[in-house]
Amino acid sequence: KAGVTQTPRYLIKTRGQQVTLSCSPISGHRSVSWYQQTPGQGLQFLFEYFSETQRNKGNFPGRFSGRQFSNSRSEMNVSTLELGDSALYLCASSPLDRGSHEQYFGPGTRLTVT
Amino acid sequence: GENVEQHPSTLSVQEGDSAVIKCTYSDSASNYFPWYKQELGKGPQLIIDIRSNVGEKKDQRIAVTLNKTAKHFSLHITETQPEDSAVYFCAAGVQGGKLIFGQGTELSVKP
Repeated sequence: KAGVTQTPRYLIKTRGQQVTLSCSPISGHRSVSWYQQTPGQGLQFLFEYFSETQRNKGNFPGRFSGRQFSNSRSEMNVSTLELGDSALYLCASSPLDRGSHEQYFGPGTRLTVT
Repeated sequence: GENVEQHPSTLSVQEGDSAVIKCTYSDSASNYFPWYKQELGKGPQLIIDIRSNVGEKKDQRIAVTLNKTAKHFSLHITETQPEDSAVYFCAAGVQGGKLIFGQGTELSVKP
């Protein structure tokens, strides 16, 4: 089975712009979670989607949003970019629909905000 | 609040020695505890996990132990090899797809 894919792999944006990142989960996986990874804060949970519905949300401002499509593919959007949004954004997919369960990560999108 | 503490932050061992990484979680509702290995330029890779109804799990050179009463869980790697060098993260599953991660341990295995 192909793993989790994320596009693009690298992105450079300017402060104030917005960005959309894409994630394709492992075939058959219906849960997609997003995380932000920075050297200072580590890995932080952004949100989780299952069957096109947001099930969980982390402590990030409303500038961070996401959605999931009927084929389980997911996108996250960051509006009005700030320098502090520079990070590795990771997507993870999971095969089960309830309880805590294994998540498989993609390679991430490296976002640099200048 | 939800928090996972991980120690040590760096660990250097000789090839063939054992390595132990320890984590403590705060939310008693946590019921799933995975460990990830992250190599440079890659996403975290799930290497082993344990659920709250199990005390220990082993997979070849890797083992994980869980003490629910103390809210501690640990990763044990035996007979370390240079390719084990990476950053290791513990995590606690609180609900659904939400994982709370530790700060990571940079493991260096010297030949």
